[in-house]
Amino acid sequence: DTGVSQDPRHKITKRGQNVTFRCDPISEHNRLYWYRQTLGQGPEFLTYFQNEAQLEKSRLLSDRFSAERPKGSFSTLEIQRTEQGDSAMYLCASSYGGNEKLFFGSGTQLSVL
Amino acid sequence: EDQVTQSPEALRLQEGESSSLNCSYTVSGLRGLFWYRQDPGKGPEFLFTLYSAGEEKEKERLKATLTKKESFLHITAPKPEDSATYLCARANSGGSNYKLTFGKGTLLTVNP
Repeated sequence: DTGVSQDPRHKITKRGQNVTFRCDPISEHNRLYWYRQTLGQGPEFLTYFQNEAQLEKSRLLSDRFSAERPKGSFSTLEIQRTEQGDSAMYLCASSYGGNEKLFFGSGTQLSVL
Repeated sequence: EDQVTQSPEALRLQEGESSSLNCSYTVSGLRGLFWYRQDPGKGPEFLFTLYSAGEEKEKERLKATLTKKESFLHITAPKPEDSATYLCARANSGGSNYKLTFGKGTLLTVNP
């Protein structure tokens, strides 16, 4: 068990480009979450998967954002036509069953120039 | 709207100087209150979950307590390695019980 893994750790992109992040949760965890964190703020909920089903998307997640979790394993978060306001740390977390104890990855730091 | 407010925003302590961090939350529909520790460039690391007023949990130099409207994280005789941002979060009862609402955190610096 190596914990929650996120790739890449850092991403620098130009405004208007598309980016995709990957998250590999702890293997037996059926729940997967994406959060976004900006400097000086706590993490904000973006979306939640139970197995392969995406059960909730935050209003923070505009149409430019899409997340998938094929076969209930790893997850990807794609941002299309990036904007400077998308610059943030994108955190993935996983948990098992109804246990709210979340295990977070180290995040992907996105900088949009 | 669910809210979590942490104070102070930042706290500097000398090694061995005990203190407490505060987390106040909207009471309605609380399922659980969580404390996480976050080091720079890392994701939050789980510390404690508290479910009911009067509950206390301890881990090394940290003790978390819960009242009906706030939670405290007490740090006894802190060491420099306790320096981090401490985040408080709440989970709701009901259908969205998987979603955590975080406060902005308290940045703790412990000087040797």
